[in-house]
Amino acid sequence: DAGVIQSPRHEVTEMGQEVTLRCKPISGHNSLFWYRQTMMRGLELLIYFNNNVPIDDSGMPEDRFSAKMPNASFSTLKIQPSEPRDSAVYFCASSRSEAFFGQGTRLTVV
Amino acid sequence: AQSVTQPDIHITVSEGASLELRCNYSYGATPYLFWYVQSPGQGLQLLLKYFSGDTLVQGIKGFEAEFKRSQSSFNLRKPSVHWSDAAEYFCAALWGGYNKLIFGAGTRLAVHP
Repeated sequence: DAGVIQSPRHEVTEMGQEVTLRCKPISGHNSLFWYRQTMMRGLELLIYFNNNVPIDDSGMPEDRFSAKMPNASFSTLKIQPSEPRDSAVYFCASSRSEAFFGQGTRLTVV
Repeated sequence: AQSVTQPDIHITVSEGASLELRCNYSYGATPYLFWYVQSPGQGLQLLLKYFSGDTLVQGIKGFEAEFKRSQSSFNLRKPSVHWSDAAEYFCAALWGGYNKLIFGAGTRLAVHP
């Protein structure tokens, strides 16, 4: 298996634009997590899914953030509109028992 | 609420010295426990995990961790640190029934030659 695949690896966008981050989990994994990592806040859990169903989105910072998992092999995290304070590295992880992480998407909002 | 605490933000050790990174969890039930390592610009790599059974678990890269229920701890150890071990280390816990994977704040390890 290729592991958890995230795209894009880097994204630079202007404030106010919509940003969509993508994640392909490992086949057979039933849980998927979205994390945000910054120097100030560390690794924050934004939302997680079990069997494609969102279980806990209490970590989503604002209504500007939304996440979907339309099927077992794909998830998106969308920010609309984006703001400079959203600049961070966003990680997707999938698990069946232990979690495996993607390489992350480094988002810069200018 | 569930939480994971790593009391040490930064640790510096000399190459060849022993290492222990601390981790504590809160909340009554015993979670599944993990240690991850993150090198600069990289994702997180799983070092080892504890689900049940033997409380001393071996991981990759010569690391081990010991689960102590009485202390709600899962400390990571390595008998002799190598310069390549310099990285950030994260402890994580997952409580069954919730499947919510919670991370500690991380401990940044520096290794002096």
